[in-house]
Amino acid sequence: AQKVTQAQTEISVVEKEDVTLDCVYETRDTTYYLFWYKQPPSGELVFLIRRNSFDEQNEISGRYSWNFQKSTSSFNFTITASQVVDSAVYFCALSELSPMNRDDKIIFGKGTRLHILP
Amino acid sequence: NAGVTQTPKFQVLKTGQSMTLQCAQDMNHNSMYWYRQDPGMGLRLIYYSASEGTTDKGEVPNGYNVSRLNKREFSLRLESAAPSQTSVYFCASRAGQSGANVLTFGAGSRLTVL
Repeated sequence: AQKVTQAQTEISVVEKEDVTLDCVYETRDTTYYLFWYKQPPSGELVFLIRRNSFDEQNEISGRYSWNFQKSTSSFNFTITASQVVDSAVYFCALSELSPMNRDDKIIFGKGTRLHILP
Repeated sequence: NAGVTQTPKFQVLKTGQSMTLQCAQDMNHNSMYWYRQDPGMGLRLIYYSASEGTTDKGEVPNGYNVSRLNKREFSLRLESAAPSQTSVYFCASRAGQSGANVLTFGAGSRLTVL
């Protein structure tokens, strides 16, 4: 069964500090996809990144970077030089690849609420 | 460019009342989903529909029914609302039947059951 664990319920850092959000997942499939979504105070859910299970290269997008380690089943998200606008709830999610059957679920972790203090 | 549209945005019900949350997408997506979001619980999958004509239970289906009316529309019905169903409900869609596809979410519907 799929499972996503975000052990950090809430994190507070001072602006310009770096912060890492942890995500650990469980799956029996060898092919799967991992996602990060952001939910700002306005409430909408915004897609940030997708990573497939065969691509373990780290990815950087501006101040955001993602570290995927299959050996530890982790897909961690780092914000460098945090800004107040980064304050949000961040969700990690897992989707298994099931092209031949009807099981098309995507399961989310409980989220990490990030506060960036000015 | 509407994306995923949910109605209503807000609703207050009394215990035992019924209601339907409507969801429509205009992206020609095959798969549609209903999630609920509660404090400290994250997003939990209620029901999903991998294609028109099919629906499947997610993690928390009890107390809900769904209808995939056509490819565009996926409704969520509460037959007899309970206070435990007070939540924010999100509809989402994606191109479907491939784990790679990204979910697009609606703006959410806040439901309060008194």
